[in-house]
Amino acid sequence: DADVTQTPRNRITKTGKRIMLECSQTKGHDRMYWYRQDPGLGLQLIYYSFDVKDINKGEISDGYSVSRQAQAKFSLSLESAIPNQTALYFCATSEKGPSTDTQYFGPGTRLTVL
Amino acid sequence: GESVGLHLPTLSVQEGDNSIINCAYSNSASDYFIWYKQESGKGPQFIIDIRSNMDKRQGQRVTVLLNKTVKHLSLQIAATQPGDSAVYFCAVRGSGTYKYIFGTGTRLKVLA
Repeated sequence: DADVTQTPRNRITKTGKRIMLECSQTKGHDRMYWYRQDPGLGLQLIYYSFDVKDINKGEISDGYSVSRQAQAKFSLSLESAIPNQTALYFCATSEKGPSTDTQYFGPGTRLTVL
Repeated sequence: GESVGLHLPTLSVQEGDNSIINCAYSNSASDYFIWYKQESGKGPQFIIDIRSNMDKRQGQRVTVLLNKTVKHLSLQIAATQPGDSAVYFCAVRGSGTYKYIFGTGTRLKVLA
């Protein structure tokens, strides 16, 4: 089984709808991240969580919210989806500590907002 | 602000040849560097990493070179195979932080 899983893998929705993307991991990592990937751009950090009670905004958090339900689960919500949120979304995990901070990514969710 | 760039958008190589993919970064305080491989429809896959106290690290068929003087990072793939076809990008971390800056990537095409 994959260490980092994301559901759904693909989603098409309409403007104004609420969408939740889910991420689960079996790596036992404390840290979890949500990124979006757009054509021609590097990955951009939306939110990150260093443990269940520690959630922080990344560089592009507007229009998004997150929930860390457990060490292994981190979900991303779009409260009212808009077309420019059409992108690939990736969840990532890493171990605690700056010397062991390699990030491992899930397979991604392709979201289309019409 | 910090940046990571100088990727060629596309690199085409003959099967069996060596491939070199490059990355430049702007923050001289960066301390950790990762190369990822991303195949179509998949998430980024860790290939190899290097810390700023090293200038070379080797893996299986891959080598990462770090030149801190000119702030340049490269990934060398030996004897490139069709399965190496993918987008490769670097991730650069600022010293003592969790934050990575990701490059836009180079698409490697392996020609038979």
